[in-house]
Amino acid sequence: SQKIEQNSEALNIQEGKTATLTCNYTNYSPAYLQWYRQDPGRGPVFLLLIRENEKEKRKERLKVTFDTTLKQSLFHITASQPADSATYLCAPASGAGSYQLTFGKGTKLSVIP
Amino acid sequence: DTGVSQDPRHKITKRGQNVTFRCDPISEHNRLYWYRQTLGQGPEFLTYFQNEAQLEKSRLLSDRFSAERPKGSFSTLEIQRTEQGDSAMYLCASSRQENQPQHFGDGTRLSIL
Repeated sequence: SQKIEQNSEALNIQEGKTATLTCNYTNYSPAYLQWYRQDPGRGPVFLLLIRENEKEKRKERLKVTFDTTLKQSLFHITASQPADSATYLCAPASGAGSYQLTFGKGTKLSVIP
Repeated sequence: DTGVSQDPRHKITKRGQNVTFRCDPISEHNRLYWYRQTLGQGPEFLTYFQNEAQLEKSRLLSDRFSAERPKGSFSTLEIQRTEQGDSAMYLCASSRQENQPQHFGDGTRLSIL
């Protein structure tokens, strides 16, 4: 069955450093992958979408990579700030004809001042 | 554009009662999704609409669950004869097309007494 693993349940990092979150998947080949941010009691907020033919995507301080050989996506936040503290979810999707996202459990990031 | 709106935000009910949740998607989005999220887990797919047609239902969606999207705009999710295990956050998302970002509402938190 399809499986998604996010590297750790919790990650603590010092303000100003780069946070790197990992998402590994097995038993399928997603055509694209989305990253979301979720704050307590709120719905997930879309951050970035990367397709299988894209190696890297950037948006302001965020960067996502997608390695279909390693079956892995990395999510980076540079110059991290306490306001970046949240749970980050990765969600691969199979692509054409498939619309449902399969989410990992998420990584709770805490940026320490 | 206004985001995805869900109502109510919180629902507390006794076991065995029926509950209904409403979702208003982003206006130009014809794809609508329902997910369920329990504590410490990522959202799990429940069902998907393209306009008014319900095209897919997860095995998680037992016979006690029914979803509608009568005019291809708002959607309702009804749970009949609620059980303790139904306690969760019910999230609605919408997208413009398949393979496009899904945008989530803030969910309805259901608590079964």
